Amino acid sequence: NAGVTQTPKFQVLKTGQSMTLQCAQDMNHNSMYWYRQDPGMGLRLIYYSASEGTTDKGEVPNGYNVSRLNKREFSLRLESAAPSQTSVYFCASSENIGAYNEQFFGPGTRLTVL
Amino acid sequence: GDSVTQMEGPVTLSEEAFLTINCTYTATGYPSLFWYVQYPGEGLQLLLKATKADDKGSNKGFEATYRKETTSFHLEKGSVQVSDSAVYFCALRSNDYKLSFGAGTTVTVRA
Repeated sequence: NAGVTQTPKFQVLKTGQSMTLQCAQDMNHNSMYWYRQDPGMGLRLIYYSASEGTTDKGEVPNGYNVSRLNKREFSLRLESAAPSQTSVYFCASSENIGAYNEQFFGPGTRLTVL
Repeated sequence: GDSVTQMEGPVTLSEEAFLTINCTYTATGYPSLFWYVQYPGEGLQLLLKATKADDKGSNKGFEATYRKETTSFHLEKGSVQVSDSAVYFCALRSNDYKLSFGAGTTVTVRA
């Protein structure tokens, strides 16, 4: 039982390049989330998926797209990376959407855009 | 909107010292409150939570009490260890999915 896994762990991109961050969970959770973590700002929600087949914007969605590939997997795509997207990205999952559902986090992907 | 303010770090302590990290919040309604911990190189883990006023969350020797009158949820531990070195995040969740996080407090415990 690995929980939430993310790949890659580290990535360096040049401005304008594209890439996809992968996330998978093996807890049979319905809901999944993508956050970014920046120094002094805590975590901010980029996109979330309440259930398989649905995705919605969070607090900071500009410059990103997501795909809920199946119940287990939720990917985050940067179509044209910018230096402002240098950050640590965390994927999380919870059994369901709702205030009492604990979110479980992956180990993060550290992305640098030059 | 909802927001969380926590004390700025970094905080450096000696082993067996008392740790307090202050957290205050602004929210509509009656939020649930959380402390998450992030150990070096890892993702966030839920440390403790409280879902209503006067609830006390506790785990691994850490405690926090939900104080509605002062809109606070301060984290305390009576005797820290080197293994408690981590970044601590206070967070709240109102009546929907969204977790609102504080900026995080880095704690370093020296032997």
